[in-house]
Amino acid sequence: QQQVKQSPQSLIVQKGGISIINCAYENTAFDYFPWYQQFPGKGPALLIAIRPDVSEKKEGRFTISFNKSAKQFSLHIMDSQPGDSATYFCAASPWNNNDMRFGAGTRLTVKP
Amino acid sequence: GAGVSQSPSNKVTEKGKDVELRCDPISGHTALYWYRQSLGQGLEFLIYFQGNSAPDKSGLPSDRFSAERTGGSVSTLTIQRTQQEDSAVYLCASSSFGAGYDTGELFFGEGSRLTVL
Repeated sequence: QQQVKQSPQSLIVQKGGISIINCAYENTAFDYFPWYQQFPGKGPALLIAIRPDVSEKKEGRFTISFNKSAKQFSLHIMDSQPGDSATYFCAASPWNNNDMRFGAGTRLTVKP
Repeated sequence: GAGVSQSPSNKVTEKGKDVELRCDPISGHTALYWYRQSLGQGLEFLIYFQGNSAPDKSGLPSDRFSAERTGGSVSTLTIQRTQQEDSAVYLCASSSFGAGYDTGELFFGEGSRLTVL
């Protein structure tokens, strides 16, 4: 009953390359879409988030692209660095109650 | 405290025993979440508390799992008659949602690693 589907499960990118992680959802009540980053032994931490009133949000090297009609959103990491190596989770919730559901995660490895 | 605190950080137990995991959310946060993360897996939703509303228990995998939140603050996740498949990291998070300064951001603890032998 996973409400948010995430791909790929793992991703290897060379330093300086672009990392792209995709997510899809079915529940049309979702209207808040964050991405979380998790390092080994730590809890996830918010990286960037978007609401569906915009199609793109950029913060530094991290960009969320959102396609409301397709019910898909993606994370792009530009100029990927070894320090970006972590597990990334997309998530979604209805804004009126913040009942947050997560994707299965993507383990990103950036090779030097 | 400054962040979400979970205890114990590690728990090893024998199959069939009961365990309790504790979560201290950030002061003033009205929303509290429990997730389970199995080795190399995603974040499996367990339960969500929001203020005085009835909790969303739809993610609890069986009736061996229960959770309560006392006084709108500390939460305890209880697993009865533990099984080997319960071995995982149990993560707690809190957010300010509903407290008048909503950002939607979840703040996670570092988790309680449960190993059932």
